[in-house]
Amino acid sequence: ETGVTQSPTHLIKTRGQQVTLRCSSQSGHNTVSWYQQALGQGPQFIFQYYREEENGRGNFPPRFSGLQFPNYSSELNVNALELDDSALYLCASSLEGPPQETQYFGPGTRLLVL
Amino acid sequence: AQRVTQPEKLLSVFKGAPVELKCNYSYSGSPELFWYVQYSRQRLQLLLRHISRESIKGFTADLNKGETSFHLKKPFAQEEDSAMYYCALSPLRGNKLTFGTGTQLKVEL
Repeated sequence: ETGVTQSPTHLIKTRGQQVTLRCSSQSGHNTVSWYQQALGQGPQFIFQYYREEENGRGNFPPRFSGLQFPNYSSELNVNALELDDSALYLCASSLEGPPQETQYFGPGTRLLVL
Repeated sequence: AQRVTQPEKLLSVFKGAPVELKCNYSYSGSPELFWYVQYSRQRLQLLLRHISRESIKGFTADLNKGETSFHLKKPFAQEEDSAMYYCALSPLRGNKLTFGTGTQLKVEL
């Protein structure tokens, strides 16, 4: 059983650019959630995908978008990057609930926007 | 709006001393509560959830609906307990986790 993997591990972008982050779910999991973790803060929910459809969204603007593929891997896209987008981005996979199934987190992608 | 509050950024205890990490929440309804832990250089992982009523690594947490609290406790701290601990909640029939800001636990010899 392979765990959740994310790529790249870290990257640097400039303000106004676009970025794509990738996540490979744990084997057998069909739900993926994305979180943003700013320095000194807890993770904040961005959105969740279940069977390739968005299944809930947090308080993030539309320039944060995502995709889930038939193999349940996922992408997070952020357009028009702002300095405040600098953070650790975590993805977590799980089996569809209810009840709430355990979410397994990846190691994260650290994004720095200059 | 749902909210999780962890009042202590850092908690330092001696090995063998009792540990209590505080967590209070606000939520209109019946949420599910969790504790997640992140050891140094490792990924975030689930420690325990209130619905399971388990004791993991000697830690327990009781949901107090009257006080809207879910404090994490361990009677005797071990050095390997040093880590960042996050309290989180989600709707009973949902997967969206709302996290607190975390408490860094440091167990000193």
